[in-house]
Amino acid sequence: GAVVSQHPSRVICKSGTSVKIECRSLDFQATTMFWYRQFPKQSLMLMATSNEGSKATYEQGVEKDKFLINHASLTLSTLTVTSAHPEDSSFYICSARVPGLAGGGRETQYFGPGTRLLVL
Amino acid sequence: QKEVEQDPGPLSVPEGAIVSLNCTYSNSAFQYFMWYRQYSRKGPELLMYTYSSGNKEDGRFTAQVDKSSKYISLFIRDSQPSDSATYLCAMSVGSSASKIIFGSGTRLSIRP
Repeated sequence: GAVVSQHPSRVICKSGTSVKIECRSLDFQATTMFWYRQFPKQSLMLMATSNEGSKATYEQGVEKDKFLINHASLTLSTLTVTSAHPEDSSFYICSARVPGLAGGGRETQYFGPGTRLLVL
Repeated sequence: QKEVEQDPGPLSVPEGAIVSLNCTYSNSAFQYFMWYRQYSRKGPELLMYTYSSGNKEDGRFTAQVDKSSKYISLFIRDSQPSDSATYLCAMSVGSSASKIIFGSGTRLSIRP
């Protein structure tokens, strides 16, 4: 299946600093990527939809000025957590939309391995 | 009320048992139904995908969708210790590449 990578896999930072997380599609071009957040023992919550070359669409309750998303190429989307605080500590997961294959097949999303953020 | 409800477990069964995992939902517009498996500290992995109602089988896994009852199930036959993970149901209105709503996940443990 399609491969999506994330970097870094784990990051620890001080409160007030900014953290950038990268999401890459390794063997396909992804015009659309999604960013999720998952708190311990809870489900994935969609934060925003990232479209290449245009502004991201944020879900209700997600601060666009705090969670900056850039989708500058067809294989890379970045999420920057600005002025991070301890309550931003979470597991951040991206996914990439994989188009249906020519002649059949369905669109789907493939998920990255996640980035664990700990803000001290 | 959450759009998707899933019992968080944990669920512990002996190796070889049949496992039944379930979700209910409230949005009748959902058409695409998925089951993901997530190992600890990893991203979700797509297991099964079903469009509309009916059954779908893939090896030891069977997914069922009953849209009239707004109820979906995942059955695992001949369960193995390697099946121990968190199982997330998920659904969307459009294709599975559009906005997905996840259940909270059920933690499953298969005892050797």
